[in-house]
Amino acid sequence: AAGVIQSPRHLIKEKRETATLKCYPIPRHDTVYWYQQGPGQDPQFLISFYEKMQSDKGSIPDRFSAQQFSDYHSELNMSSLELGDSALYFCASSTAGTMETQYFGPGTRLLVL
Amino acid sequence: AQSVTQLGSHVSVSEGALVLLRCNYSSSVPPYLFWYVQYPNQGLQLLLKYTTGATLVKGINGFEAEFKKSETSFHLTKPSAHMSDAAEYFCAVTFTGGGNKLTFGTGTQLKVEL
Repeated sequence: AAGVIQSPRHLIKEKRETATLKCYPIPRHDTVYWYQQGPGQDPQFLISFYEKMQSDKGSIPDRFSAQQFSDYHSELNMSSLELGDSALYFCASSTAGTMETQYFGPGTRLLVL
Repeated sequence: AQSVTQLGSHVSVSEGALVLLRCNYSSSVPPYLFWYVQYPNQGLQLLLKYTTGATLVKGINGFEAEFKKSETSFHLTKPSAHMSDAAEYFCAVTFTGGGNKLTFGTGTQLKVEL
């Protein structure tokens, strides 16, 4: 079965640079979520989209922005990168609804030097 | 606010022994509870979830969990541990009106020894 695809899988950036992470949801899933998992920490919710509209917002820094496109893929744009942004970034997708299971991608590991 | 507490950041069991990973939640509204497993350098995989109905939930790989409202708990169990169960396990909660975002516990690293 098709899973959530994230690209790139690994990314190395310098401080103050920008990064773009991409997420391709499972076909027919209309909702996308982004989570950030710091080293040794639990995943923290950043932002979510339903039908291309932002549906919820968590602890996402103002330096980050995201959007969902007409084909339902999503991009997380990160600017003015800081050392503390080094983390594993997960995308998850689901169909709409509170009880719907979120299926996670393999994550993008971002290292900021 | 909703939250999840996982007791024990590291749990070690012998192969064939009972696995018990503890999760307690705090929620002012009926919660929806999940257990996810994360293998090294991989994403999160759903083991099982409780939404409504039967309080004993069976998941993949022989795991199950019981929702106990009176104890605000959702502990994960497996009768007999296998070496392949070694991973990190996260309990998570969401609730109606919460936008479906998951709030995770801090995780429990399960080690299985011969």
